[in-house]
Amino acid sequence: ETGVTQSPTHLIKTRGQQVTLRCSSQSGHNTVSWYQQALGQGPQFIFQYYREEENGRGNFPPRFSGLQFPNYSSELNVNALELDDSALYLCASSSTDRVETQYFGPGTRLLVL
Amino acid sequence: DQQVKQNSPSLSVQEGRISILNCDYTNSMFDYFLWYKKYPAEGPTFLISISSIKDKNEDGRFTVFLNKSAKHLSLHIVPSQPGDSAVYFCAASPSGGSNYKLTFGKGTLLTVNP
Repeated sequence: ETGVTQSPTHLIKTRGQQVTLRCSSQSGHNTVSWYQQALGQGPQFIFQYYREEENGRGNFPPRFSGLQFPNYSSELNVNALELDDSALYLCASSSTDRVETQYFGPGTRLLVL
Repeated sequence: DQQVKQNSPSLSVQEGRISILNCDYTNSMFDYFLWYKKYPAEGPTFLISISSIKDKNEDGRFTVFLNKSAKHLSLHIVPSQPGDSAVYFCAASPSGGSNYKLTFGKGTLLTVNP
């Protein structure tokens, strides 16, 4: 069974740029959630995708957007990057029969200069 | 407003002894609780969960206790091993609705000394 994978592992961008992060869900999982983890904090919920549609959103501005594809993989897009967007971005997947238990990928470390 | 609180930033225990990590929550809508372990440069790893219909769940060396009236849960690790040294996050999920957003605490760094 393949776990959750994310790419890239690290990324450096400058303020104002745009970034796309990618996630492949664990096999058999159809729900994907994205979280942002700032240094010294717990992960914060950005949004969740189910059947290619956004299924709940946290307190993040519209410049954070996402997609889910028919194979359940997902992208997180962030436009107009700000310095405070520097964080670890985590993707988690879950299955319909145990949707409350989310399994995380290794994350993408984003640094905005 | 922090809805899930882990008031101890760090905990140090001796190998073989019990580790007890605590978590408090304020949102009465939470009814499913999870513990994750995180090593540096890795994503959180699911450890154990408990739903609000139970007050205890056990899996090997890990036991989670839930006190709904006090809005408090704890994770017991017995016996503690050096490999258990990591940051432990408590997370909670609400009932109903169409999504299962997890709300996390800030984590507790557990150090198990040989």
